[in-house]
Amino acid sequence: AQSVTQLGSHVSVSEGALVLLRCNYSSSVPPYLFWYVQYPNQGLQLLLKYTSAATLVKGINGFEAEFKKSETSFHLTKPSAHMSDAAEYFCAVSLNTGGFKTIFGAGTRLFVKA
Amino acid sequence: SQTIHQWPATLVQPVGSPLSLECTVEGTSNPNLYWYRQAAGRGLQLLFYSVGIGQISSEVPQNLSASRPQDRQFILSSKKLLLSDSGFYLCAWSPILRTPGANVLTFGAGSRLTVL
Repeated sequence: AQSVTQLGSHVSVSEGALVLLRCNYSSSVPPYLFWYVQYPNQGLQLLLKYTSAATLVKGINGFEAEFKKSETSFHLTKPSAHMSDAAEYFCAVSLNTGGFKTIFGAGTRLFVKA
Repeated sequence: SQTIHQWPATLVQPVGSPLSLECTVEGTSNPNLYWYRQAAGRGLQLLFYSVGIGQISSEVPQNLSASRPQDRQFILSSKKLLLSDSGFYLCAWSPILRTPGANVLTFGAGSRLTVL
């Protein structure tokens, strides 16, 4: 069965610093991978997705993620943090064989300091 | 464009009372529909999903049930709430794709339930 592990429940960076949120997945078949963002008291919205095309995926708001099969990782990065990036970020995995089940990680809350 | 509505936004209910959370989708037909529950530090737990009217799959045995009386309506219910039912409930939809694993979920704004 597939699973997702997000390393670090909280990450704090200074405004303008690099953002790195870590995600490792477990899957016996090629997965589809996603990053979603959640602002306080709101639903989740898609940041980016990997669907077996380019391994470096660019998303909204300057975020990108790189699929590394050898490391089973899909880390999310942004070169320069902005105050508006403060939110909770979820990595997720789904499979064609799983049909309609998207499995989410526990989430990483990003704090951005002025 | 497609929109998803979820209500009520917040709800405070006593233990043992019933529950009904409703979700509707506009601008699409025959969507896949989902109910997730979010607990602090535990990510999102898939509770139910539906691929059509009257077709409900349960992921976790619990005190809750779901129904899909119409194509774009998804209801989460309970006959008697428990304290452990407190949480943030999220409805989501996705289109039917030839590669279902590539499904992108679109979420509603959520319903925060507090059981006292």
